[in-house]
Amino acid sequence: AQKVTQAQTEISVVEKEDVTLDCVYETRDTTYYLFWYKQPPSGELVFLIRRNSFDEQNEISGRYSWNFQKSTSSFNFTITASQVVDSAVYFCALSGLSSNTGKLIFGQGTTLQVKP
Amino acid sequence: DAGVTQSPTHLIKTRGQQVTLRCSPISGHKSVSWYQQVLGQGPQFIFQYYEKEERGRGNFPDRFSARQFPNYSSELNVNALLLGDSALYLCASSLVPVGYGYTFGSGTRLTVV
Repeated sequence: AQKVTQAQTEISVVEKEDVTLDCVYETRDTTYYLFWYKQPPSGELVFLIRRNSFDEQNEISGRYSWNFQKSTSSFNFTITASQVVDSAVYFCALSGLSSNTGKLIFGQGTTLQVKP
Repeated sequence: DAGVTQSPTHLIKTRGQQVTLRCSPISGHKSVSWYQQVLGQGPQFIFQYYEKEERGRGNFPDRFSARQFPNYSSELNVNALLLGDSALYLCASSLVPVGYGYTFGSGTRLTVV
């Protein structure tokens, strides 16, 4: 079975603080893909990053960075110097190749509130 | 280029009624997937279509059905609506069905009363 766990339900920080959103996944597939999406109040899921299981290189994009560790089955997301516009629900998702469908398994989401 | 468009944005239905939701993928994208997101939870996979064929189905009852048209747009139908069907229904499109980035629409907010 495939599963994604986002243990942090809600996080509240003050603007300019760094914040890390945790994601732990379970899969028996050797080839799989991990994603992070942002969902603002408007409801649309905004794609942030995709990582395949063979690429453990960490990635940085502006204030965003991702730490992928297969040894601990984690794919954590860090926002540096958070801003009020970062307030949203963030979802981690997994897609295993064995399903042959591209089906995304989402975590429960982490609500991030950035206060001015 | 237009993103994934869904219609309607909101609707209210009565228990027992039927509803049809529509999705137009990004131009060139041949795969369309549907997700249900109940308030406070992550989206749950309902269907995936690719090249007009059903490629995958989630754990939803037969009251849920979908199809994809020659222009790759898609419809999701839900019959005999229940209160528990109230949710945000999201459509996602991608170039290929597996391993590619998925672009989501803004969703249809369905309320069943």
